[in-house]
Amino acid sequence: DAKTTQPTSMDCAEGRAANLPCNHSTISGNEYVYWYRQIHSQGPQYIIHGLKNNETNEMASLIITEDRKSSTLILPHATLRDTAVYYCIVRLRNDYKLSFGAGTTVTVRA
Amino acid sequence: NAGVTQTPKFRILKIGQSMTLQCTQDMNHNYMYWYRQDPGMGLKLIYYSVGAGITDKGEVPNGYNVSRSTTEDFPLRLELAAPSQTSVYFCASSYEGKLPTEAFFGQGTRLTVV
Repeated sequence: DAKTTQPTSMDCAEGRAANLPCNHSTISGNEYVYWYRQIHSQGPQYIIHGLKNNETNEMASLIITEDRKSSTLILPHATLRDTAVYYCIVRLRNDYKLSFGAGTTVTVRA
Repeated sequence: NAGVTQTPKFRILKIGQSMTLQCTQDMNHNYMYWYRQDPGMGLKLIYYSVGAGITDKGEVPNGYNVSRSTTEDFPLRLELAAPSQTSVYFCASSYEGKLPTEAFFGQGTRLTVV
């Protein structure tokens, strides 16, 4: 499986967009990019996933570069409740197991 | 839908004791998983199941056993508890078909072995 690299931590101002980068330079053509988050040791929560096209849902947007070697998760209007650890995960289409790294600790400040 | 429900939420075990962590889901998902998370670390896969009667080892299966007799339930058994098994345990489920989907996680069981 392709590995991912994320910054250890980042801060964001409340009400502003939070842009979370993820590098997955060894990703293969049939691997999807997934994002989950974990708020204060609760169970991880799914955010969004994509293959090669940009995706948007009610929580966030996922921007995948054309060469698919990196992606950015965008939280359009960060709130204090978005403070969490965000995990970028790459998984094969037919490999349902998720491999969690250390993630990015995002702190939203008032 | 209750989603994925784990019991108990907290447990303290003595070394050598055994226990079963319960997990049930009401979403008719075919796949179920057990992960553990040590302090400050990401989640590691212990066991998973692709359907009733089928289970397989994940990354860290030693010291654990699982069974999947129904679609809904996926209990995790610790036979001889050791301090190294002090962790937070998460159960998850997903429906895997032609396209990959999301996994739903329970709220976790916090286990301390003393």
